[in-house]
Amino acid sequence: QTVVTQEPSFSVSPGGTVTLTCGLSSGSVSTDYYPTWYQQTPGQPPRTVIYNTNTRSSGVPDRFSGSILGNKAALTITGARADDESDYYCVLYMGSYISVFGGGTKLTVL
Amino acid sequence: QVQLVESGGGVVQPGRSLRLSCAASGFTFSNYGMHWVRQAPGKGLEWVALISYAGSNKYYADSVKGRFTISRDNSKNTLYLQMNSLRAEDTAVYYCAKGGSSWELPNYDYWGQGTLVTVSS
Repeated sequence: QTVVTQEPSFSVSPGGTVTLTCGLSSGSVSTDYYPTWYQQTPGQPPRTVIYNTNTRSSGVPDRFSGSILGNKAALTITGARADDESDYYCVLYMGSYISVFGGGTKLTVL
Repeated sequence: QVQLVESGGGVVQPGRSLRLSCAASGFTFSNYGMHWVRQAPGKGLEWVALISYAGSNKYYADSVKGRFTISRDNSKNTLYLQMNSLRAEDTAVYYCAKGGSSWELPNYDYWGQGTLVTVSS
């Protein structure tokens, strides 16, 4: 069974840049997987940040960008702010109407 | 504005059943695919099930296939998740989520607040 991999945790300084990645236990992530990124704070439902690899959801600042880097999907946050501190989840479309989430990355801004 | 309101969660014994509902408003419900996504306490998100806009196509994660059934009543703007043979590992907050223009893709533009299901004896 294919596993979607994410860094368990990451730390960034305020104003800094961080890139979170989303990979596969076997194989490479491409745009064919329609990678989507969600941001979640405790007690709240997730909020879409990026969908279809690199499309920002409505209201998401352009500090957030999505891409394919090497064999992984990537979410880059530039000019990190304290309120970017959240859990970030990627999800990949595996085909045949099945989607799989990664384990999430806990981002700390300090 | 779009609203998704889940209900039906609670405490249930292992092996028993529970039905979740998700009342939708603020959009044309019958035009969109709908999904269920769950999150165990302190854990990550897990896609559970998907139903097409007319309800004729349904798909499930392997972890729930054969035990859970997704359905919808477009006349009532309501999505359902019938959960049978519940296990401790089904304990989670269950979210309903609205699909986007490509109904099968995991691009959910709206989520409900979730309903907690606890499976325990």
